[in-house]
Amino acid sequence: QQKVQQSPESLIVPEGGMASLNCTSSDRNVDYFWWYRQHSGKSPKMLMSIFSNGEKEEGRFTVHLNKASLHTSLHIRDSQPSDSALYLCAASRGGNYKPTFGKGTSLVVHP
Amino acid sequence: GPKVLQIPSHQIIDMGQMVTLNCDPVSNHLYFYWYKQILGQQMEFLVNFYNGKVMEKSKLFKDQFSVERPDGSYFTLKIQPTALEDSAVYFCASRKGTGQLYFGEGSKLTVL
Repeated sequence: QQKVQQSPESLIVPEGGMASLNCTSSDRNVDYFWWYRQHSGKSPKMLMSIFSNGEKEEGRFTVHLNKASLHTSLHIRDSQPSDSALYLCAASRGGNYKPTFGKGTSLVVHP
Repeated sequence: GPKVLQIPSHQIIDMGQMVTLNCDPVSNHLYFYWYKQILGQQMEFLVNFYNGKVMEKSKLFKDQFSVERPDGSYFTLKIQPTALEDSAVYFCASRKGTGQLYFGEGSKLTVL
C-alpha cells in the first residue's frame, strides 16, 4: 500500500484557473511535507514545504497542512501553461529522514 | 541555486553488463540519495548514504546494486549485472542536514 497518496492522478485546468492538488500520508510518524514540481524530462524542483499546521503562501502557490489527518494540499491560482508538470508530494519523519514520494498529479494548464 | 551533477545523462547497455552512474552532490551537503523513476511516474527511494555508510535501503535496492563515495569524489551507483527491469531514470539527490532534496537531472538507463 502506498504510504503517500496523491489525488487526482491528473488534472486539466484552463489558463487563469485554480488547480487544487491533494496528498495524504498513511504513516503517522511523518511530520514534514514537501511539494516538488517536475517538468517533463527534467529533475524535480522543490516548490514548497510545510511542517506546521495551517497555511503557507508564496506568490500564486498556497499549501495547507492538517497534521491530525496528515493531509496537505497545494493550490495554484491564476494557473499558467508553464505550470503544466508532474507535481510530487513527499513526506518524511523529521527533516533528516528519506522523503517518501507519492505517484504524483499530472497537471495540464491549457491556454 | 545549488547544483547536483549526474554523469552520464543517458546510457544504453546490454543485459548482464555492469553500469556505474556518477553523481557530484552539492559541495557542502552531507546526505546523498538515489531514486528510481520509470516513465515519468513515481519517484521510488533506493538508498541513502551518510558519512560513508548506507543509512537505509529499500527492497528495490537489490543485491546487484551498490553505492560508494570513495575519498569524497563522485557518489556512485553501480549495478552488476544489469537486468531489463533496471531500465529507468536514476536521480541522485543531496541535502544539507534538514531541508529539501536537491536533485540532479537524472541518468537515463536503457538495458537491452
